[in-house]
Amino acid sequence: AQKITQTQPGMFVQEKEAVTLDCTYDTSDQSYGLFWYKQPSSGEMIFLIYQGSYDEQNATEGRYSLNFQKARKSANLVISASQLGDSAMYFCAMREGYGGATNKLIFGTGTLLAVQP
Amino acid sequence: DTGVSQDPRHKITKRGQNVTFRCDPISEHNRLYWYRQTLGQGPEFLTYFQNEAQLEKSRLLSDRFSAERPKGSFSTLEIQRTEQGDSAMYLCASSLFGVGLPGLEQYFGPGTRLTVT
Repeated sequence: AQKITQTQPGMFVQEKEAVTLDCTYDTSDQSYGLFWYKQPSSGEMIFLIYQGSYDEQNATEGRYSLNFQKARKSANLVISASQLGDSAMYFCAMREGYGGATNKLIFGTGTLLAVQP
Repeated sequence: DTGVSQDPRHKITKRGQNVTFRCDPISEHNRLYWYRQTLGQGPEFLTYFQNEAQLEKSRLLSDRFSAERPKGSFSTLEIQRTEQGDSAMYLCASSLFGVGLPGLEQYFGPGTRLTVT
């Protein structure tokens, strides 16, 4: 069965420093996608970054990068130069298949990031 | 604003009452998803539509829950005879799926927070 594991319930980081949020996944599918979402206290889930299982390069979006290690089944999110506005809950999610019949996202339990001034 | 919208944002109801939530997806998106998020957990998939067709339902969606998307645009989620265990955030998301568009990114609305007393 598909599963996403986020082992860090909470993390602290100093403003302007980099932080890594851990995510491991379990799937028997060869084709899958991995996502990171940010959820501020307002509740809305904000899409950050996507990595496909066949993508050879690690995904990057501005200050966000995804450290994809397929053999280890890990997809850690790296946030560089942390800002106070980065304080939020961060969720790792997986979708099996490539946009076909299977579309639902499986989420981890999240990591609460607090950026300190 | 052209994002996903949900109404109401908050709903307090007494046990046994029926409630209905509405989701308006991004206008050109043909896929619409419902998720439920309880405190301290990541969102869990409930159901999804492609246009007006409901293609998949989770086992979480008991017979007290029904979802519709009658014209392939907005969707409603109704919960009949609410129970205290239904208290959660109900999130709606949409994506664009088609040839060459695997619907990689699901864009979420702000959610409806349901409290059953």
